Amino acid sequence: AQKVTQAQTEISVVEKEDVTLDCVYETRDTTYYLFWYKQPPSGELVFLIRRNSFDEQNEISGRYSWNFQKSTSSFNFTITASQVVDSAVYFCALTREGTSGSRLTFGEGTQLTVNP
Amino acid sequence: GAVVSQHPSRVICKSGTSVKIECRSLDFQATTMFWYRQFPKQSLMLMATSNEGSKATYEQGVEKDKFLINHASLTLSTLTVTSAHPEDSSFYICSARSQGGGPQHFGDGTRLSIL
Repeated sequence: AQKVTQAQTEISVVEKEDVTLDCVYETRDTTYYLFWYKQPPSGELVFLIRRNSFDEQNEISGRYSWNFQKSTSSFNFTITASQVVDSAVYFCALTREGTSGSRLTFGEGTQLTVNP
Repeated sequence: GAVVSQHPSRVICKSGTSVKIECRSLDFQATTMFWYRQFPKQSLMLMATSNEGSKATYEQGVEKDKFLINHASLTLSTLTVTSAHPEDSSFYICSARSQGGGPQHFGDGTRLSIL
């Protein structure tokens, strides 16, 4: 069975602070994909990143960066110099590789509040 | 690219009404679409997986007669909540995945409120 754990239910920071959202996963599959999605107060889910289990390179996209460590089954997400617009619920998710029918297993989400 | 449109965005209706929600992939063909339900301050729960031209696969505990899913084309899937009751009030969100693979892209969701 697959499981995704986001231990931080809520995080509150002041603008311009760096913040890291933790994600730990469990899977028996050797090939899988990890994702991060952002859900702002309006409700839509915004895709942020997909990472293949064979690619452990860290990735940076603007103020966002991701640290994938297979040894600890973690896929953490860091926002540098946070902004008020970053306030949202962030979900980490996992799916097995392969068919178009692959289902996503979501973590419980982390509510990030960035205060001015 | 990879835009998924969900309609309506909000529905308020009386108990006993049936409500249809549409999910369209606007710029790609989606062999598979997924329907999720999200209660306040909770994660997304997969309700069913919908494959074009075949019956949907429902998750355990989801009533298939209550939540009717139709995926008649590669760009459209519909979810009908039949004879809705207040406990069906929730946020419903669909996603679609391209024929070529890749991540699921989500619609904007539908807030359903049953009075």
